Parts: sequence; C-alpha cells; structure tokens
Amino acid sequence: GAVVSQHPSRVICKSGTSVKIECRSLDFQATTMFWYRQFPKQSLMLMATSNEGSKATYEQGVEKDKFLINHASLTLSTLTVTSAHPEDSSFYICSARKRGGVNEQFFGPGTRLTVL
Amino acid sequence: KQEVTQIPAALSVPEGENLVLNCSFTDSAIYNLQWFRQDPGKGLTSLLLIQSSQREQTSGRLNASLDKSSGRSTLYIAASQPGDSATYLCALYTGANSKLTFGKGITLSVRP
Repeated sequence: GAVVSQHPSRVICKSGTSVKIECRSLDFQATTMFWYRQFPKQSLMLMATSNEGSKATYEQGVEKDKFLINHASLTLSTLTVTSAHPEDSSFYICSARKRGGVNEQFFGPGTRLTVL
Repeated sequence: KQEVTQIPAALSVPEGENLVLNCSFTDSAIYNLQWFRQDPGKGLTSLLLIQSSQREQTSGRLNASLDKSSGRSTLYIAASQPGDSATYLCALYTGANSKLTFGKGITLSVRP
C-alpha cells in the first residue's frame, strides 16, 4: 500500500498558459500533501504544504498566486502553475502523508513541465 | 537549523562490492529518518524508514542504521548490482508533523 500517482507525467505548454498537475493517494487517505520542485542534479525543494480543507502553507520565496494549490479531498491535491514562463520549467514531485500514521511521506513519480 | 550532509556526492564501485553510504545531521533531536532512491527523471522510492526509537532497519540487501548521538545514519548495500545505480537521498523529520529535510544525495554507479 501507500501508492501516490501524478498526472500528467510530462507536459509541454506555451508561455503564458496555465498548467494543472494532479497528485492522488491511491490506496490511503492523506491529510497532508506536499509539493516539491527539483532542478537538474539538485535535491528536492519544498514549495508548499497542503492540508485537506484548508489553505496551503507556502515556503519562503514561493509565490502563492503563481503556484495555486488545492487540496479538496483526502486523496487529491492539485498544483496549478499560472501564466507559466520558461523559468518555471522543472520537475515537480508531490508526496502524501497518511491520515493518522507516523510521520512518513510517500512520493509520486513526478511531472516534467516544459514551458516553451 | 537542521542540516543534512551526504558525502561523497558521487561514488563508483565494481559490481559485487559491499558499500556504505553515509548521512550526517547536525541536530540529534530527530523524529524519523528515511532513505530514498531516485532514478533519473523519476520520483522518489522509499527504501527504509527508521523511527527515532530504532537503531536499524533491514530490507533485502539493504540495511540502514541510525546513531542519533553521533548524528549519523548509514545505508549498507550488500553485493551491489548494476541495477542499484541511482541517487540515494537521506532525509529526516524533526517532529511528528514536521517537514522533511533532505541531504543532497549520493549518486551511485555500479560498474558491471
């Protein structure tokens, strides 16, 4: 158990458009989901923490109006990159923490975003 | 502020060798420690989770140990195989609801 999926796995879009990435916990309920960004050959950078039914908490330096996060259910969180620009091109990874479980995160397979 | 260090950044070994990947952290007050594997262009796969009350965990050819007093964790890989080639990340939680603090990872290459 503890499988997390992301959709899409890859997306290419034009500059100025918005892109939505979905993160789903397939076999467990997740009260908390996390969104990370990873640049080539670097470690993961936490962008925001989302709790089901409440507003996301963003890390310092992350624009909340640009990276919209919605955690509407215990199995789904979405990240929308608004008005994407080439510098937003990156690998986005989500993770989820089980409801009532120990503090352990389960990661999705990531989404490669390329903004032309 | 908790800092997690993994040295060296890259490691190349011949197939069959037993190896140890090191992880050090600055604050011994940790909650859980987790080792992950990441293949190029992929997400993270959890390998082992060590809770603060535990000293080690084993899964197959992998063994992870935790020594909070010295601020160290090691991931032991027995009889390494080319399929073990990947980046190995050490990460820890400082509390029951805390975020993960990651090391920068060790990129392992196992030569056939």
